[in-house]
Amino acid sequence: GNSVTQMEGPVTLSEEAFLTINCTYTATGYPSLFWYVQYPGEGLQLLLKATKADDKGSNKGFEATYRKETTSFHLEKGSVQVSDSAVYFCALELTGGFKTIFGAGTRLFVKA
Amino acid sequence: ETGVTQSPTHLIKTRGQQVTLRCSSQSGHNTVSWYQQALGQGPQFIFQYYREEENGRGNFPPRFSGLQFPNYSSELNVNALELDDSALYLCASSFRHGNTIYFGEGSWLTVV
Repeated sequence: GNSVTQMEGPVTLSEEAFLTINCTYTATGYPSLFWYVQYPGEGLQLLLKATKADDKGSNKGFEATYRKETTSFHLEKGSVQVSDSAVYFCALELTGGFKTIFGAGTRLFVKA
Repeated sequence: ETGVTQSPTHLIKTRGQQVTLRCSSQSGHNTVSWYQQALGQGPQFIFQYYREEENGRGNFPPRFSGLQFPNYSSELNVNALELDDSALYLCASSFRHGNTIYFGEGSWLTVV
């Protein structure tokens, strides 16, 4: 079946540290891949997306590259800020599909 | 701000009762999806509505039902509430064949 696996949290970093959150997927066909962010007490916001292999999604200093050969979509940021503290969800949607499949989420804490 | 609004934001119900949650989709979006997010987990797809008809359904029992209205707003109804129904319920809107969905901030349901 189709699924998303992401690294367990919480991840705790100091401000200005480098961030990587690993995400791998299993899917039939050619999915679109997403990262969503959820700040405390809020709904999900789309952070970035990539729709085909080798595409790089980027937004607010975050980036992720769609790697078909390793079925991965790891999230990276070169220098995190306290305001980046949130839960990050990796997700996929199959072409023509009607639902988005989410990973379990990775909580990030950034200390000043 | 995604333009997707949900109500109520918080509510408490007793086991066995029924609940109705409401969602107004972003202007122009004709597809509405509902997700259940239990504490500490990723969102799970409940169902999707397109042009007032259910377009796909996740692994949820029939006591979870929905409606979509001509203005594309939507309701989620849950009958015979169980303690495990306690969760954040997220509504998301999109275009029919678009692969970017926009989430509301959710309705927190507590069943006691």
